[in-house]
Amino acid sequence: EAGVAQSPRYKIIEKRQSVAFWCNPISGHATLYWYQQILGQGPKLLIQFQNNGVVDDSQLPKDRFSAERLKGVDSTLKIQPAKLEDSAVYLCASSPWTEPAYEQYFGPGTRLTVT
Amino acid sequence: DAKTTQPTSMDCAEGRAANLPCNHSTISGNEYVYWYRQIHSQGPQYIIHGLKNNETNEMASLIITEDRKSSTLILPHATLRDTAVYYCIVRAKYNNNDMRFGAGTRLTVKP
Repeated sequence: EAGVAQSPRYKIIEKRQSVAFWCNPISGHATLYWYQQILGQGPKLLIQFQNNGVVDDSQLPKDRFSAERLKGVDSTLKIQPAKLEDSAVYLCASSPWTEPAYEQYFGPGTRLTVT
Repeated sequence: DAKTTQPTSMDCAEGRAANLPCNHSTISGNEYVYWYRQIHSQGPQYIIHGLKNNETNEMASLIITEDRKSSTLILPHATLRDTAVYYCIVRAKYNNNDMRFGAGTRLTVKP
């Protein structure tokens, strides 16, 4: 079974520029998550989708971050404009909405450096 | 904020058991204990979860105290590939978005 795919793996941009990340979840997984992981910290949930609807975006900085999941499959996360503090690894995860564990399967992440 | 407390780092000799503790004194009755690990430059990986009984799978064992206020993840025969950050998370099983990662325990397995 193919895992969660993310691209690009690395991205370097200057502050105030915009950037987009792409995620393709495991086939059949209804739930998709985006996390931000700052160096030395655990991942922090930014947004959760159930199919193509948003379940939780309470920690998404909506003035600069946006995300969509058209057709309930792939998803993109965008930052516009980027700030220095946005430097982090952006992780995408997916999970099936089934028993027993509801565990999340994570992709390799996109490492963003804002200079 | 994370609902768990873990040591910042631990070392373990290769081939020995690695015992990683986690305190979750405010755990409620419907919350499970989950463990994930994150190997360098990879996304977190699910290891095991439990409610109140001890659990074992091909990766690890999970021992939960009777009062459920703490637990221990056991890697029975640690290898160098087990070097990673281990996260202990408590969440309601059906609350799929309540995954709050703390800083975790950085386990270093030494030859």
